[in-house]
Amino acid sequence: AQSVTQLDSQVPVFEEAPVELRCNYSSSVSVYLFWYVQYPNQGLQLLLKYLSGSTLVESINGFEAEFNKSQTSFHLRKPSVHISDTAEYFCAVRSRGGGNKLTFGTGTQLKVEL
Amino acid sequence: GAVVSQHPSRVICKSGTSVKIECRSLDFQATTMFWYRQFPKQSLMLMATSNEGSKATYEQGVEKDKFLINHASLTLSTLTVTSAHPEDSSFYICSAIPPFNTEAFFGQGTRLTVV
Repeated sequence: AQSVTQLDSQVPVFEEAPVELRCNYSSSVSVYLFWYVQYPNQGLQLLLKYLSGSTLVESINGFEAEFNKSQTSFHLRKPSVHISDTAEYFCAVRSRGGGNKLTFGTGTQLKVEL
Repeated sequence: GAVVSQHPSRVICKSGTSVKIECRSLDFQATTMFWYRQFPKQSLMLMATSNEGSKATYEQGVEKDKFLINHASLTLSTLTVTSAHPEDSSFYICSAIPPFNTEAFFGQGTRLTVV
């Protein structure tokens, strides 16, 4: 069984400030890790993913996440946020060993203010 | 990337009626699709796994007779909410994973309101 914990339900931050959205997971098997972003009344879009290799992964819009196996974490960071980053962010895991089910965290609402 | 299209994006129906939601993979074949339900300000709850040509696999606590899933082709899965009630009002999202891919692609979601 797998579980994903996103401790922060809401994160308010001023524009151009740095932000970190926390994600911890629990799994008895190796997993792939994902961050998805959801804008109001829309589906989810993949932001970035960790499959293997370098533990630091980056997205095209400035977000990055680092896989930490010892801490079972995959925190999402951005050094300088923009108003357009306001959205709901979901961390998710999927077993490497087969099966396509995604297990989601409860989500973090990022609200960027002027 | 691959495209998953969901229709309709919004639907309002009367209590007691049935509503069908379609999920299509536009540029790949999907033997498996997933249906999620999302309550306001909450995470996605997996309802069922739709399998092409066979019965769907429902998660514990999801009523299979209420949420009928049909996956008649490799590019189309449908979710029918039967005898809808106001408590069925929610945001429903489908997803699919293209072959040889690790990433799931999601539909735009359907906002169902039962009045």
